[in-house]
Amino acid sequence: AQTVTQSQPEMSVQEAETVTLSCTYDTSESDYYLFWYKQPPSRQMILVIRQEAYKQQNATENRFSVNFQKAAKSFSLKISDSQLGDAAMYFCAYRTRGSGGGADGLTFGKGTHLIIQP
Amino acid sequence: KAGVTQTPRYLIKTRGQQVTLSCSPISGHRSVSWYQQTPGQGLQFLFEYFSETQRNKGNFPGRFSGRQFSNSRSEMNVSTLELGDSALYLCASSFEGARGNTIYFGEGSWLTVV
Repeated sequence: AQTVTQSQPEMSVQEAETVTLSCTYDTSESDYYLFWYKQPPSRQMILVIRQEAYKQQNATENRFSVNFQKAAKSFSLKISDSQLGDAAMYFCAYRTRGSGGGADGLTFGKGTHLIIQP
Repeated sequence: KAGVTQTPRYLIKTRGQQVTLSCSPISGHRSVSWYQQTPGQGLQFLFEYFSETQRNKGNFPGRFSGRQFSNSRSEMNVSTLELGDSALYLCASSFEGARGNTIYFGEGSWLTVV
C-alpha cells in the first residue's frame, strides 16, 4: 500500500520569506501523480500544485514550486514570498496512474500546519 | 461555473441513526469521490463513483455506502452511526475520472454523532 509522510506537523515563517514543506512517499508504482493541497480554516481543500511522475521538470505555479526527486521518493513544496493568506494546513497527496478504470483515490499525508508571522 | 456542492453542511445525529449526505459535482464531471477527515485518522478515501458505478472503495465497513445518479450527483449513506463516525466528509469531483485529472473538493459536510 502506498503511504505519504509529512514529517513537519507545523512550520512557521515570516511574511515575505520562503518556506519549504517536506513530503516523502512510498510506492512500488512507476507512474503516478503527486499533489499539494491547501486547507484553510474554512476546511475546503484547494489544489496548489500537481506533478506527474513521468515528467522530470518540476511543476511551478506562481509563488509555489516543487522539488520532485523520484528516486528518493521526495516531493517538497516551496512557497516563495510568503503571504498571510498562505496560512493553512498543507497536505501532500498521491494517486496512481494506471491503465483503464478503477481509480485508487488520493492517499494523503497527515498535513503540515503553516503559520505566517506578520 | 459552480463548484462542488455538498449538503447539508452541518448536521447532528444520534448514535444508531443513519445519515445521507449529498454531493453535486462540477458540471461535466463524471467522477465523484468521498473522503472522511478526522483529527485522529486524517484524510481517508471512502469510495469513488464513475458513470453510476463504484470503481473503488477504501477500507471502511459496510455501514458506509454510496451511489451515483445519472446526472452524476452522488450520495453517501452511513447506517447505524457510531460516535467515531463524527467527521468532516469531503466530496470531490473530476472530469472523466482519469486519475491524473485535477480533483476539486467541496466545502464538506460536518457530521457530529452524539
